[in-house]
Amino acid sequence: DIQMTQSPSSLSASVGDRVTITCRASQGISNYLAWFQQKPGKAPKSLIYGASSLQSGVPSRFSGSGSGTDFTLTISNLQPEDFATYYCQQYNSYPLTFGGGTKVEIK
Amino acid sequence: EVQLVESGGGLVQPGGSLGLSCAASGFTFSNYWMSWIRQTPERGLEWVANIKRDGSEKYYVDSVKGRFTISRDNAKNSLYLQMNSLRTEDTAVYYCARDDLNGGSGDYWGQGALVTVSS
Repeated sequence: DIQMTQSPSSLSASVGDRVTITCRASQGISNYLAWFQQKPGKAPKSLIYGASSLQSGVPSRFSGSGSGTDFTLTISNLQPEDFATYYCQQYNSYPLTFGGGTKVEIK
Repeated sequence: EVQLVESGGGLVQPGGSLGLSCAASGFTFSNYWMSWIRQTPERGLEWVANIKRDGSEKYYVDSVKGRFTISRDNAKNSLYLQMNSLRTEDTAVYYCARDDLNGGSGDYWGQGALVTVSS
């Protein structure tokens, strides 16, 4: 199985900050990577597919990059509604696997 | 509007069985692969299984193979998960999710159904 490792596991940031979350795959997954946002008590919401393509309706302050084993999710100009937990998911091979999550908290 | 609504969660004893259903609306159900994904505070998000548009292909995570069965009824716009020989470690919130046409699972998710396996 492909292991997905996210870092950091949590971070504190202020409104307006630029935040970067990393996700590393235990083997190469090309660009078969998605990012999700989850708020407490809610289902995850898809943000990015194909490592860098934004889902419809997702604000442009979210961006993704990377290929192979190393990926990043960047949130520029952090907004109050962005405080949440973020997960990466690889879909290069079965079983599909998720990272452990990064909680973005208010500083 | 895409909607996925799970039902069937509840409390079951170890070794027991439970079935989950997911009613889909707002899109052409038969055009999409569908997945079940579960979540616990301890283990996070775990993809469980998915099924091809016509039901001809199914994939499972190893920990549920031989115990869980994913199925669908395109005429009823419904997805199912039959869970047998349940274990305490199967306790989780189970989400129904639509697989993204661009790849991956979960461009839309249901609200989740809690399954608790306990004596």
